[in-house]
Amino acid sequence: GESVGLHLPTLSVQEGDNSIINCAYSNSASDYFIWYKQESGKGPQFIIDIRSNMDKRQGQRVTVLLNKTVKHLSLQIAATQPGDSAVYFCAENKEDSSYKLIFGSGTRLLVRP
Amino acid sequence: ETGVTQSPTHLIKTRGQQVTLRCSSQSGHNTVSWYQQALGQGPQFIFQYYREEENGRGNFPPRFSGLQFPNYSSELNVNALELDDSALYLCASSSVSNEQFFGPGTRLTVL
Repeated sequence: GESVGLHLPTLSVQEGDNSIINCAYSNSASDYFIWYKQESGKGPQFIIDIRSNMDKRQGQRVTVLLNKTVKHLSLQIAATQPGDSAVYFCAENKEDSSYKLIFGSGTRLLVRP
Repeated sequence: ETGVTQSPTHLIKTRGQQVTLRCSSQSGHNTVSWYQQALGQGPQFIFQYYREEENGRGNFPPRFSGLQFPNYSSELNVNALELDDSALYLCASSSVSNEQFFGPGTRLTVL
């Protein structure tokens, strides 16, 4: 079946350090992956995406790595700030007619001052 | 802010009742997807509407139904509410790209 899972439910990092959040997916047919950030009381907010024909994509302070061989996705946040504290979800999308997103259960990132 | 709005923000219903949740999509977006997010879990896909037609459905029973209007706003209707329907209901709008923009959600509590 399809599933997107995360290795760690909670990640605590020191402010200024780099954070790495990991995600495993099981469907090799998936061709589009997205990281979302969800703060308390809000809907998920798009952070960065990557297509299956790429293995790395960089944004502002964030980098997503995709390893299709082991079906692994990671989100790296550089110089983590208190405002980065939130729950992070990876999501899988198959570019069929429905654009259905399959979310994992999330990792909570806590940034220590 | 994504430009996607949802109403109401909170709602309390009792078991067996019916509920209608509303979503206004971002300007220029013709696709709306609905998700259910239970506490402490990731969102689960309910269904998607594209140009007023259902365009994909997740593993939810028929008592979950929806509509999309000519202005691309959408409704989610749930009949015969059950306790397990208590969750945050999220809508997301999108256009030709895959990127989906989420609203703040409606928190539904079923007593």
